[in-house]
Amino acid sequence: DAGVIQSPRHEVTEMGQEVTLRCKPISGHNSLFWYRQTMMRGLELLIYFNNNVPIDDSGMPEDRFSAKMPNASFSTLKIQPSEPRDSAVYFCASRQTGSNTGELFFGEGSRLTVL
Amino acid sequence: GQQVMQIPQYQHVQEGEDFTTYCNSSTTLSNIQWYKQRPGGHPVFLIQLVKSGEVKKQKRLTFQFGEAKKNSSLHITATQTTDVGTYFCAGVTTDSWGKLQFGAGTQVVVTP
Repeated sequence: DAGVIQSPRHEVTEMGQEVTLRCKPISGHNSLFWYRQTMMRGLELLIYFNNNVPIDDSGMPEDRFSAKMPNASFSTLKIQPSEPRDSAVYFCASRQTGSNTGELFFGEGSRLTVL
Repeated sequence: GQQVMQIPQYQHVQEGEDFTTYCNSSTTLSNIQWYKQRPGGHPVFLIQLVKSGEVKKQKRLTFQFGEAKKNSSLHITATQTTDVGTYFCAGVTTDSWGKLQFGAGTQVVVTP
């Protein structure tokens, strides 16, 4: 299995631009998580999907952030407009079907720099 | 809301020494997981503890879940340079739909 696949691995953009991060979970995993990691705030859960339905989006910072999961094999996290404080590593993680307590498999992350 | 606190934030260890990192939750946990993140890498699952008072070992790593299921520890013996990285605990409460709340992590630096 290829694991959780994220793209792009690195993105540098200017303030005000739209950013779209993509994630393909492991096949058969029906739970998907988006985390943001910074030195100051550590690993923050942004949103959590179960069977493509957002279960908890309380971690989404503000209306500039949106996430979708149109099908079981694809999710996007969009920031519009982006701001310098959005600079971080964004991780997508997935979990095996039927396991509310199983391990998370993380992708390699998307490092976002907003100038 | 649920808070997971982890100490220490940094740990500088001489190769061959032991160290322990601690994790405390403000609420009772259904289970707790530990992850390791190497510099520049992504978190990788190490272990999950479910039962009150549970102790699990992985070679030089010993994981413990408290009796009240509100705290946990990771003890590493005879530290090696390969142990470098950040160790995170992540707690799951019974009413959180399986959502993991990560601690801030303990960043471990090993001196040869």
